[in-house]
Amino acid sequence: QSVLTQPPSVSGAPGQRITISCAGSSSNVGAGYAVHWYQQLPGEAPKLLIYGNNNRPSGVPDRFSGSKSGTSASLAITGLQTEDEADYYCQSYDVSLSCSIFGGGTKLTVL
Amino acid sequence: QVQLQESGPGLVKPSQTLSLTCTVSGDSMDSGDYFWTWIRQPPGKGLEWIGYIYFTGRAYYNPSLKSRLRFSIDASKSQFSLKMNSVTAADTAVYYCARGSSSSSSRGTWFDPWGQGALVTVSS
Repeated sequence: QSVLTQPPSVSGAPGQRITISCAGSSSNVGAGYAVHWYQQLPGEAPKLLIYGNNNRPSGVPDRFSGSKSGTSASLAITGLQTEDEADYYCQSYDVSLSCSIFGGGTKLTVL
Repeated sequence: QVQLQESGPGLVKPSQTLSLTCTVSGDSMDSGDYFWTWIRQPPGKGLEWIGYIYFTGRAYYNPSLKSRLRFSIDASKSQFSLKMNSVTAADTAVYYCARGSSSSSSRGTWFDPWGQGALVTVSS
């Protein structure tokens, strides 16, 4: 069981907006550590999508956005496209475990 | 544009040592700005941070794996390496190397870019 909790799956129709939650605790997200998000397309390596809670690397469309509040964070995707079908992972640092941690991952299906 | 590439045996016998090397191109490893990282993903499962090594050779390991791990770095060859001893079937995974970054305005480290990954199977 992951220290960061994500829903196993979410789905949406093309053009819609979806959000993926990432629930942490007072020893990681709630301790002020940033949350980062990765997209893993089928058969590929993960790719950085959001860093530092809400920053997009160059090349990532502004349809992707991140937010953080308290002990949780969220990834929002607007204008869903079929190519967004992938697994999404949140990541942070846990001061009690003394290591970087990942959420269990969320499979996004675009209907 | 920085690129990372993992290399090493794809099959390791139980109780033996898993060894992987990551070759970095397009960036200097001794700039001091980055954490050279290993992450793994068992088949069909999620991601697990293994640890990272700084250009000075100082390494930070996942506490759950620390007793079996040893990292090394050779900036002159643009390579860093992982050795994990006493492997079992539970260590079967795709192993990724990645570049870790941090900033003064954001606590914690993110990973970008990643190598394509190397599947290591532990089996007799």
